[in-house]
Order: sequence, then C-alpha cells, then structure tokens
Amino acid sequence: DSGVTQTPKHLITATGQRVTLRCSPRSGDLSVYWYQQSLDQGLQFLIQYYNGEERAKGNILERFSAQQFPDLHSELNLSSLELGDSALYFCASSVVDLAYGYTFGSGTRLTVV
Amino acid sequence: TQLLEQSPQFLSIQEGENLTVYCNSSSVFSSLQWYRQEPGEGPVLLVTVVTGGEVKKLKRLTFQFGDARKDSSLHITAAQPGDTGLYLCAGATSGTYKYIFGTGTRLKVLA
Repeated sequence: DSGVTQTPKHLITATGQRVTLRCSPRSGDLSVYWYQQSLDQGLQFLIQYYNGEERAKGNILERFSAQQFPDLHSELNLSSLELGDSALYFCASSVVDLAYGYTFGSGTRLTVV
Repeated sequence: TQLLEQSPQFLSIQEGENLTVYCNSSSVFSSLQWYRQEPGEGPVLLVTVVTGGEVKKLKRLTFQFGDARKDSSLHITAAQPGDTGLYLCAGATSGTYKYIFGTGTRLKVLA
C-alpha cells in the first residue's frame, strides 16, 4: 500500500457520459498530480494541485477538469467521454511542489464503450 | 520539447542474465528518478539520483547518473522473474522544474 488511495479501481461507462475519479494523497503530502496512461503511450501529465491551488497544467482536454479540496483529496472529472479516453488514470502525491519523486496510487482503469 | 529517451524499448531475457537500461536527454536534470511499474499498478519509486556521477545500489540494481546530469543508466545483475515490469526514468529539468517521464523500457525475465 503506497498510501495514495484511488477510487474506483475499475470503471466502465458509455460514450457521452461523465465520471469522477477520486484520489486521497499520502498523509502529509500537499501536492497531487493526475496522469493518464494509454496502452501505446507513456505517462501523460494532466494537472497538478498544491495545497488546494492549481499549480501546473499538462495535456489536459477541456472536457476534463480537476480540483483539490481543503482536506487535500482530489477529484478528476471527465465529461463527454469518448472511446479514446479509455485508459489508466493515476494520481500521485508528493510533500513539496518540486519533483523529487512521486508516490503513485494503483490507478483507475476507465473503459468507455 | 524536452524528452527522456529510454533504450531499449523492449527487453526479454533469461533468468540469471545481466542487463542495462539507458535513459538519455539533451537537457540537464536537477535530479532523476527511476520507477518500476507492474501491470495494473502504479509506478513505484526505486531511487533518486542528484549528483553528477552518482552511483546508487539497491540489491541487484545499480543506478548511475551521468557526469553532465543528462543521462542515467540502470543495471540489473542476475535478473529474476520478479524484475519483470516497465521501468521508467523521470526527472525535473534544471531551470524549468518541469517533471517528465521517459519513454519506458518493458522488461520480461523468463524463468
């Protein structure tokens, strides 16, 4: 157990639908990062939050949004889902805002049918 | 675009063999990390290297950071089936602090 909790572990939904992925960071970590991993692609950075504020944005689609709440858990909202959104979505956390290695959760496998 | 190129992309070897995975970039990194990811799981941090020329050992795994902090290598001695997985290097480039992941090396160790 890495200490980073992601729910749900698996999600199957239809095209056009909206889903919410949840992440609880490791205790004491203020930064939360979201990544997408498809079969033929590596880890694609989506977005980072630090202590409740958006800190950095990667290749995140406009249909996707995220937030970090006062208790530091984070949610990634994916809307108007397309088949191509099927992927593993990982949350990671770290103590500080700078990269010295992240702790990853076990991911949410999203399948859009 | 800053890239971390890993080679080889795929590697299939017999148990007991040695192997080396390379991670190269044209950019200087303030630090570099290596992760291992097993199917269906998140990447697990193995090591962080910070100083140019630094060598770190983790049991049968030896990690080296290049003198110029632009490249790194991971050497596994006497590979075991439990070493099977996707190996990723990652780091933050000096000056930009943008954290990027390498292209990955998929290792399979056959018993």
